[in-house]
Amino acid sequence: GQQLNQSPQSMFIQEGEDVSMNCTSSSIFNTWLWYKQDPGEGPVLLIALYKAGELTSNGRLTAQFGITRKDSFLNISASIPSDVGIYFCAGRSQGGSEKLVFGKGTKLTVNP
Amino acid sequence: GAVVSQHPSWVICKSGTSVKIECRSLDFQATTMFWYRQFPKQSLMLMATSNEGSKATYEQGVEKDKFLINHASLTLSTLTVTSAHPEDSSFYICSARPPTGRTEQYFGPGTRLTVT
Repeated sequence: GQQLNQSPQSMFIQEGEDVSMNCTSSSIFNTWLWYKQDPGEGPVLLIALYKAGELTSNGRLTAQFGITRKDSFLNISASIPSDVGIYFCAGRSQGGSEKLVFGKGTKLTVNP
Repeated sequence: GAVVSQHPSWVICKSGTSVKIECRSLDFQATTMFWYRQFPKQSLMLMATSNEGSKATYEQGVEKDKFLINHASLTLSTLTVTSAHPEDSSFYICSARPPTGRTEQYFGPGTRLTVT
């Protein structure tokens, strides 16, 4: 089935550093969502984007809906140890059903 | 708001038995719920879309007679894994979509199924 290209696959950073990850699609999306998943837990919604060009923040997190509607990025500023986890992008394609397509995830490790 | 619960959080069963997993939306009504399966270190794989009062829509390759879904009310969907086998062992996660007209899904905490 359709998949999103999410990169990087993993990141190892020092506490206090900024982080950036992105997702791209071959088709146009009308919704981009970013989730964080801790081990053994379900994903938690971080940010939802619904308009091309939209830039939305949630605390230290900022995400943008790309102008081309085929990409989105998530930035985390001043990372802290509790940012550790797997971040997934998800999107809904234009004209598609209400199903979400998920990226493969970015595993973030923060060294204190 | 938008809290989704799952029960049980983990279950161990013997091969050949059936297991039921419940998914509840606690503070909103959900006409649509989704069931996912996740293997270790992999992304979420949609198994089926559960619609209140109607039959579930299964994704290609998912056996509907093996994974029975019942969405009997606006706050409860159940997934029953019938005649479970060790290869059914996995992390099962449900999600629910609030009736806001938007697309975001809120996920439950997941159920770890181990079939021995």
